[in-house]
Amino acid sequence: DGGITQSPKYLFRKEGQNVTLSCEQNLNHDAMYWYRQDPGQGLRLIYYSQIVNDFQKGDIAEGYSVSREKKESFPLTVTSAQKNPTAFYLCASSLGQNNQPQHFGDGTRLSIL
Amino acid sequence: GNSVTQMEGPVTLSEEAFLTINCTYTATGYPSLFWYVQYPGEGLQLLLKATKADDKGSNKGFEATYRKETTSFHLEKGSVQVSDSAVYFCALNFNKFYFGSGTKLNVKP
Repeated sequence: DGGITQSPKYLFRKEGQNVTLSCEQNLNHDAMYWYRQDPGQGLRLIYYSQIVNDFQKGDIAEGYSVSREKKESFPLTVTSAQKNPTAFYLCASSLGQNNQPQHFGDGTRLSIL
Repeated sequence: GNSVTQMEGPVTLSEEAFLTINCTYTATGYPSLFWYVQYPGEGLQLLLKATKADDKGSNKGFEATYRKETTSFHLEKGSVQVSDSAVYFCALNFNKFYFGSGTKLNVKP
């Protein structure tokens, strides 16, 4: 079945540590996205990529970095510069056209040790 | 600019009640509109969509009509079940995705 796989489901970060969240899709989608969701809140866009080897900052990119070396993969690194990383992180992908929806993974919950 | 506004929750209903969750949008052109559902601890699932004015999206008993004259895309269901308890997000796509803040629905037995 086609879909988006996020791993791990739960992740713990120590102070001063960088952690990387994985996102893989086999939908052959060009565009991929990372969102942050805080408890009881909506989605905030961190980074997005419309094509391999290219990505743009979203609304809250500070303290995060991404890469897009393959069409299928869009990993997110939460750096030590992100002082409040505890949140639920969602990866999504789409065909990149106006009439197409985004498809979401099951999320990664990041907590601070 | 573009934006989506949803009614604030939580919305609490008894089983078999009629559901309406209001969604209005602002767009500089003609967007596509979507409703997503999020169950606790999970990602968002596409519930339904409409790509042009007067289109009606429907799925699992839910429906929403793209109303250009009122810039609205209200979600409705005739008879809710306990299993419909979740957070519902309205969204538009016009060169970029814009999500509403989400409306939590609690359905009591």
